[in-house]
Amino acid sequence: TQLLEQSPQFLSIQEGENLTVYCNSSSVFSSLQWYRQEPGEGPVLLVTVVTGGEVKKLKRLTFQFGDARKDSSLHITAAQPGDTGLYLCAALPSNSGYALNFGKGTSLLVTP
Amino acid sequence: NAGVTQTPKFQVLKTGQSMTLQCAQDMNHEYMSWYRQDPGMGLRLIHYSVGAGITDQGEVPNGYNVSRSTTEDFPLRLLSAAPSQTSVYFCASSYSSGGGGYGYTFGSGTRLTVV
Repeated sequence: TQLLEQSPQFLSIQEGENLTVYCNSSSVFSSLQWYRQEPGEGPVLLVTVVTGGEVKKLKRLTFQFGDARKDSSLHITAAQPGDTGLYLCAALPSNSGYALNFGKGTSLLVTP
Repeated sequence: NAGVTQTPKFQVLKTGQSMTLQCAQDMNHEYMSWYRQDPGMGLRLIHYSVGAGITDQGEVPNGYNVSRSTTEDFPLRLLSAAPSQTSVYFCASSYSSGGGGYGYTFGSGTRLTVV
């Protein structure tokens, strides 16, 4: 059973479009992280959200943690080709807090 | 540059061979872990360590061994390679198992093919 469900799995858009990707779970988390992974590289941390309802902005990226701390979203405004990559959400399971559990990711392709 | 260094970057093994994937970090992180990444499966935890001398199994530990003799190094050993172990392997380190505000720092990965 996948702890974190990400959607959509794939997304192909043109430069300038807006998009939202989702990370959902039936579990409650104390915090949730978003990573971006480029081809041939390891994931790189984008943000950590901690408080229910929290919104964090990183340039054109907006991250939101659900009020109940079970879900999160990532919104990209005016996507650019440099945003292309695999976006992963990750959280620490409350019943076994020994390692981050990752969603399967959303693969984003932004074409000029 | 500070970070996590993985070697080798690419490796081809024959079925039954053994090898060690190296991982070293210079950030004085207590927590280190190994993941494998397969298409459609995401990142799955193999083994982890919360400090020197302490290791434990993750979700998919079969066929792999680890040891942690120093804070800096966390090698992953494949005992007898099988085609099912063809994957991309990532080592990660952090101040804590949950990453905290700093998250996990990942290496650039080892792409392993077992034929």
